[in-house]
Amino acid sequence: GENVEQHPSTLSVQEGDSAVIKCTYSDSASNYFPWYKQELGKGPQLIIDIRSNVGEKKDQRIAVTLNKTAKHFSLHITETQPEDSAVYFCAAGRTGNQFYFGTGTSLTVIP
Amino acid sequence: DTEVTQTPKHLVMGMTNKKSLKCEQHMGHRAMYWYKQKAKKPPELMFVYSYEKLSINESVPSRFSPECPNSSLLNLHLHALQPEDSALYLCASSQVPGAVNGYTFGSGTRLTVV
Repeated sequence: GENVEQHPSTLSVQEGDSAVIKCTYSDSASNYFPWYKQELGKGPQLIIDIRSNVGEKKDQRIAVTLNKTAKHFSLHITETQPEDSAVYFCAAGRTGNQFYFGTGTSLTVIP
Repeated sequence: DTEVTQTPKHLVMGMTNKKSLKCEQHMGHRAMYWYKQKAKKPPELMFVYSYEKLSINESVPSRFSPECPNSSLLNLHLHALQPEDSALYLCASSQVPGAVNGYTFGSGTRLTVV
């Protein structure tokens, strides 16, 4: 199956700064890469996703980049706000199959 | 309605009890999932239902018994659990099995086994 590694495990940034979370995957057939945000006491919520035919995708303050050759993808959050504080999970998988979560990054935005 | 609703939100049960977790969605999704999440860990897939039929069982112990009575409802029956089964149990759904778009998760049931 797929093996997804995620770094860093914890990240603290000042409000207004940028945050970057990186993931690598092992299965070259993976073609779908979602990012989930999980707030305390809640289930994971999809915040952005990217497919293997796209190199970059942006939605307001968040963006995801994908390097298929190197098998890594990253989440970028700009102008961070306290409400961005949460645990973020990357995931990778193939169409028609389940996807596999990374180990998670606990992001703290310091006001 | 774009939500997955899980009940109860919290459950404390003894090791000899029988209880059930319930999950409901009205988005017309035809795939539903049970995940288990321990503290500070990612969710781990337990079961997948595709078109109301069990399609994946990730070697889950028989003390966990899933049931999908209809396309909107998913249950997880619990019996003779162990303290190490204490965790957040998440339900999720997707439009079709293996959909390329992401899953919708419920808020989970926080289970404590005493």
